[in-house]
Amino acid sequence: GEDVEQSLFLSVREGDSSVINCTYTDSSSTYLYWYKQEPGAGLQLLTYIFSNMDMKQDQRLTVLLNKKDKHLSLRIADTQTGDSAIYFCAEKGTEGNEKLTFGTGTRLTIIP
Amino acid sequence: NAGVTQTPKFQVLKTGQSMTLQCAQDMNHNSMYWYRQDPGMGLRLIYYSASEGTTDKGEVPNGYNVSRLNKREFSLRLESAAPSQTSVYFCASSLPGHRETQYFGPGTRLLVL
Repeated sequence: GEDVEQSLFLSVREGDSSVINCTYTDSSSTYLYWYKQEPGAGLQLLTYIFSNMDMKQDQRLTVLLNKKDKHLSLRIADTQTGDSAIYFCAEKGTEGNEKLTFGTGTRLTIIP
Repeated sequence: NAGVTQTPKFQVLKTGQSMTLQCAQDMNHNSMYWYRQDPGMGLRLIYYSASEGTTDKGEVPNGYNVSRLNKREFSLRLESAAPSQTSVYFCASSLPGHRETQYFGPGTRLLVL
């Protein structure tokens, strides 16, 4: 089946850029997503990218997709304390339904 | 719109007890999902429902049952709770063709002793 992998932890100094990486195995992925989970809360969609795109920028967020290497990254510019959260990568294949496969999540800690 | 709501927020059960987790969405979404979240394992799909009246197993369905009561509501039942079912449970919903974006509820934290 599909597999999505992420590092479990990342620490970044406030004001620096954070880069969270994700690899996936499903070569037929159509959409890839980044979700954010703050402590004690559900997941919120941050951004998504269609599989025929290489890059998407949305304010402080930049998503890069290398489809050949099946690698997705999320860059957060000027990281703030409010960015502390768990970030999940997810992918959708082409099975004809809306099921997503999620990664393990990366816990981002901001160092003052 | 309230989005996706879940009840209860917290629950403690003894091994062997049963309970039903409730989920409702007011976004007129067709598809609904139940996930469990465990440390270091991300979200794993338990069951999903592509439309009213249909349900399908996900990655980890054993020990659970679901009911898609109507378009709004999708419940998850534990018939005989086990400590291995201690987890945080999330319900989600999505609208086909809308970039398959899933919208999540706030979660139910379940502890089975």
